[in-house]
Amino acid sequence: TQLLEQSPQFLSIQEGENLTVYCNSSSVFSSLQWYRQEPGEGPVLLVTVVTGGEVKKLKRLTFQFGDARKDSSLHITAAQPGDTGLYLCAGDYPGNQFYFGTGTSLTVIP
Amino acid sequence: DAGITQSPRHKVTETGTPVTLRCHQTENHRYMYWYRQDPGHGLRLIHYSYGVKDTDKGEVSDGYSVSRSKTEDFLLTLESATSSQTSVYFCAIKGTANTEAFFGQGTRLTVV
Repeated sequence: TQLLEQSPQFLSIQEGENLTVYCNSSSVFSSLQWYRQEPGEGPVLLVTVVTGGEVKKLKRLTFQFGDARKDSSLHITAAQPGDTGLYLCAGDYPGNQFYFGTGTSLTVIP
Repeated sequence: DAGITQSPRHKVTETGTPVTLRCHQTENHRYMYWYRQDPGHGLRLIHYSYGVKDTDKGEVSDGYSVSRSKTEDFLLTLESATSSQTSVYFCAIKGTANTEAFFGQGTRLTVV
C-alpha cells in the first residue's frame, strides 16, 4: 500500500500546453516535497511545502499544499521539452522517514 | 551537491550470491536512507539510519540488511540475491533543513 498516490502516472503533452500533477494521501505530513528525476540520475529536490494552503512558485512551476496537509499539486504552465522527466512527491513522515509517491512520467513533445 | 557517492554504479550478480552496496557521504549528515526504485512503484524505503549503529527497517526490508559503523558510510547487503531484487538502488541523506532528501546517483543491480 502506497502512502502517497500520484496521478496521472504517465503524461504526454505538446510544448506550450499546461498540466497539473496530483499527489494524494490519507495521512497528514509535516512537510511535502516535489522532486524531478532524469534518466540515470537520482531525484533532485524542486520545492518543499510546509504550511497547509501554501503556494510556492518556481518560474513556470506552481506547487500547492492542501489545507489539511494530506495532498499537493504541481502545475506547469507552458510546458517545454526541458520539463520532461519523472516527477515525484514525497512526504516527511514521523520517525524521520521520507515516503515517496508512485511518480508521474512527463514527456513534452516539441 | 550533498557529497553522496554510491558504489558500484552497476553490478550483475548471480542468484544466491551476497551483494553489498556502499553509500559514502562527506558532510556528516545524521540520517541516511536506502531506497529501491522499480517501474510503477516510485521509490520505496528499504532501511534507514539515524546514527552510527542505529538503523531501522523501512517498508520493503525483507531480504536486506544494513550497517553503519561510521557516520560517512551506510552499507546495504543482500545476503542471498534473488531476481526480485533486480532494481535501481538509491542512497539518500536528510538535508540540514530537515525537510528534504538528497540522493546519490544510484546503483543498477541485476540478479541473473
